[in-house]
Amino acid sequence: AQSVSQHNHHVILSEAASLELGCNYSYGGTVNLFWYVQYPGQHLQLLLKYFSGDPLVKGIKGFEAEFIKSKFSFNLRKPSVQWSDTAEYFCALRGLFNKFYFGSGTKLNVKP
Amino acid sequence: DAGVTQSPTHLIKTRGQHVTLRCSPISGHKSVSWYQQVLGQGPQFIFQYYEKEERGRGNFPDRFSARQFPNYSSELNVNALLLGDSALYLCASSTGQTASYEQYFGPGTRLTVT
Repeated sequence: AQSVSQHNHHVILSEAASLELGCNYSYGGTVNLFWYVQYPGQHLQLLLKYFSGDPLVKGIKGFEAEFIKSKFSFNLRKPSVQWSDTAEYFCALRGLFNKFYFGSGTKLNVKP
Repeated sequence: DAGVTQSPTHLIKTRGQHVTLRCSPISGHKSVSWYQQVLGQGPQFIFQYYEKEERGRGNFPDRFSARQFPNYSSELNVNALLLGDSALYLCASSTGQTASYEQYFGPGTRLTVT
């Protein structure tokens, strides 16, 4: 079965702290993985994506993610968060027959 | 350029009724996908259409159907509404090119079934 798990449902950090959000997937085929972000009152938007090649992917606003095949993980990181990073973050997998699977999301609250 | 647009913004329906939700993709995008997002959960994939053909289907009952028109806009239809169909319905468009799969999401239609 294909699925995505995000174990951190709610994360609270102070500004300048480092961030790592976990994402694990279940899928035996070629993976296409994504991180989306939803800022308060805004649409879902793409942060970064992994298709192939370098497992360390850089996205917008200083975010990056590392694909670790042996761990079935695609964790999102940022060295120093800002108050403006307060949002909900979703990990997603494109699986067989173009089906997309989203995790349940992680709400990040950055305290100024 | 305008982003993905969806109509209506909000909708209240009664159990057993039928609903049609509409989506207009970004100009030049040929693929539209539909998602259901229940409060507290991530989006659940319903359908993907590319060039008016269904390319992907999620685990939703046959009460859910969709179509894509020659101008690439799309409709999602839900028959015999249940209380559990209350959710935010998201539409996403993409170019449809395999190398990308970058989806652009609309603001969603909030459906409440009473």
